[in-house]
Amino acid sequence: DAGITQSPRYKITETGRQVTLMCHQTWSHSYMFWYRQDLGHGLRLIYYSAAADITDKGEVSDGYVVSRSKTENFPLTLESATRSQTSVYFCASSRLDSTDTQYFGPGTRLTVL
Amino acid sequence: AQSVTQLDSQVPVFEEAPVELRCNYSSSVSVYLFWYVQYPNQGLQLLLKYLSGSTLVESINGFEAEFNKSQTSFHLRKPSVHISDTAEYFCAVSSFYNQGGKLIFGQGTELSVKP
Repeated sequence: DAGITQSPRYKITETGRQVTLMCHQTWSHSYMFWYRQDLGHGLRLIYYSAAADITDKGEVSDGYVVSRSKTENFPLTLESATRSQTSVYFCASSRLDSTDTQYFGPGTRLTVL
Repeated sequence: AQSVTQLDSQVPVFEEAPVELRCNYSSSVSVYLFWYVQYPNQGLQLLLKYLSGSTLVESINGFEAEFNKSQTSFHLRKPSVHISDTAEYFCAVSSFYNQGGKLIFGQGTELSVKP
């Protein structure tokens, strides 16, 4: 089915481990985004990408790395997980910027012990 | 810099009652405004948006929001809510000058509709 998917949906890891969250969209949207959702903070942008091989930092990028070698994939890596990175992570995509609707994946719930 | 403030973190309301979810924004440039809804255990989906033109925008399920430039507000209203409207609602802002189409979200308002 067409759409935007995230994997895994749930992940438990330990402090210091590397974790990669996957995001895949089938619309060939140019723009892709990673957000984290925490109580009291709403959604905060981690990284975004305007096209393949073009990425830029968002509001809370420390401790995260992204890549975008293909238009449809936008993996997010936590290089050395910390407890403060326990959160729900959402990937989103949009065809255009600024005015366009962002389409969100179902989210990944990450727990760092 | 832009920011969004949702004035109520939780709004409990009885079924068939009217509801208003308040959103104020801060920006030095012209903005685009959005309301997204998140049903339990799901991702966000667009409810409605204001880009230009008529300041009153409507969604297909009976919600409406009015852009008020002088008060820098974009409150969401529905005249009669249903149990199925129970969800978290996020106000968000963007602008033409936002590189990469970044959205700035408010903290969210949890709407709880009781029978």
